[in-house]
Amino acid sequence: AQSVTQLGSHVSVSEGALVLLRCNYSSSVPPYLFWYVQYPNQGLQLLLKYTTGATLVKGINGFEAEFKKSETSFHLTKPSAHMSDAAEYFCAVTNSNFGNEKLTFGTGTRLTIIP
Amino acid sequence: SQTIHQWPATLVQPVGSPLSLECTVEGTSNPNLYWYRQAAGRGLQLLFYSVGIGQISSEVPQNLSASRPQDRQFILSSKKLLLSDSGFYLCAWSDGQGYEKLFFGSGTQLSVL
Repeated sequence: AQSVTQLGSHVSVSEGALVLLRCNYSSSVPPYLFWYVQYPNQGLQLLLKYTTGATLVKGINGFEAEFKKSETSFHLTKPSAHMSDAAEYFCAVTNSNFGNEKLTFGTGTRLTIIP
Repeated sequence: SQTIHQWPATLVQPVGSPLSLECTVEGTSNPNLYWYRQAAGRGLQLLFYSVGIGQISSEVPQNLSASRPQDRQFILSSKKLLLSDSGFYLCAWSDGQGYEKLFFGSGTQLSVL
């Protein structure tokens, strides 16, 4: 069985500061990992994904994440926070990148940006 | 281009009343369709998914059911709502070619009182 743990249900950072949202996963096989963002009263939007290959992946809006197998982590970072980054962020894991395999989400981290 | 429509956006229902949430996808054919529920502090929970008309897989035993009467229509239902059914319900679709192509609707906030 696979699982995702997101440490910190709420994270606050100052505008211009580093954003770090933590995600650790558990999977018995090589995982496929995703970060999604949810703006208020909206659905989820894919930020970035790791499937195979380069362990540092870049996504939209200046976000990036690094797959670290030894740490079973896939933390999301952004060098400089912007007010528009305020949203809820979800990490997700699956054992297959196709729709017949369950995508397991973490409980989410709400990011607040302090002016 | 493909779009996904989900309605209503907000719904307040009394305990014991029926439920019907509808989701439709435009601009694609034979999509995989999903219903997720987002409860406070619990992330997204996959409730149902469908790979074709009349084909429904349930992930979690519960008070809800799903149906797919048409290729691009996915309906979430309940005969009698419980307080615990409150939450934010999200419909999503993919083309089955990878989760980077998983697209979500704007969600329905359901409050059962």
